[in-house]
Amino acid sequence: GQSLEQPSEVTAVEGAIVQINCTYQTSGFYGLSWYQQHDGGAPTFLSYNALDGLEETGRFSSFLSRSDSYGYLLLQELQMKDSASYFCAVLRSGATNKLIFGTGTLLAVQP
Amino acid sequence: DVKVTQSSRYLVKRTGEKVFLECVQDMDHENMFWYRQDPGLGLRLIYFSYDVKMKEKGDIPEGYSVSREKKERFSLILESASTNQTSMYLCASSTRVSGANVLTFGAGSRLTVL
Repeated sequence: GQSLEQPSEVTAVEGAIVQINCTYQTSGFYGLSWYQQHDGGAPTFLSYNALDGLEETGRFSSFLSRSDSYGYLLLQELQMKDSASYFCAVLRSGATNKLIFGTGTLLAVQP
Repeated sequence: DVKVTQSSRYLVKRTGEKVFLECVQDMDHENMFWYRQDPGLGLRLIYFSYDVKMKEKGDIPEGYSVSREKKERFSLILESASTNQTSMYLCASSTRVSGANVLTFGAGSRLTVL
């Protein structure tokens, strides 16, 4: 089986940097994705790491270390609009297109 | 933009009723998914379909069935609704973008079973 664990809540202030961790236990997967979901909205794709290392997309960066079974999403220059839930997800190897999600982290950005 | 449309935003049903949740996507995607979302549990995969009339169980298929008669439409069926199926149901379709399997979700259907 596989599971992805995330902290349930994170609080930070505007302008700060926050890191949301994702640890996983899975026998194999293709890569690690991140999705953002605002309250009452649909999840939307943020980033994908196929390989170990850091991927940067504007204020958001995502990191993957397969040897440590660990990844994180880094949000810089936080804005109030970044308040949302963030989910990591893996695409299982050998099971085409089954994307499995983590438990989600609720980020609250305070003024 | 890809659009995934779920027919009902809110539903209230009684225990034992048969419930249909409809989902339509307009970008000719082969893969479609049904997830349920519950606080603290994240998104859990119920079923997915990789082609017309093809389906595969996800992690929590019990109490659910699906139908994919046309490529653009993927239906979730609760044969006999129970109170523990009260949840937010999210439909998605997917495509590959730079190696990533990117899901586009519908707005969700919040089902309450009384």
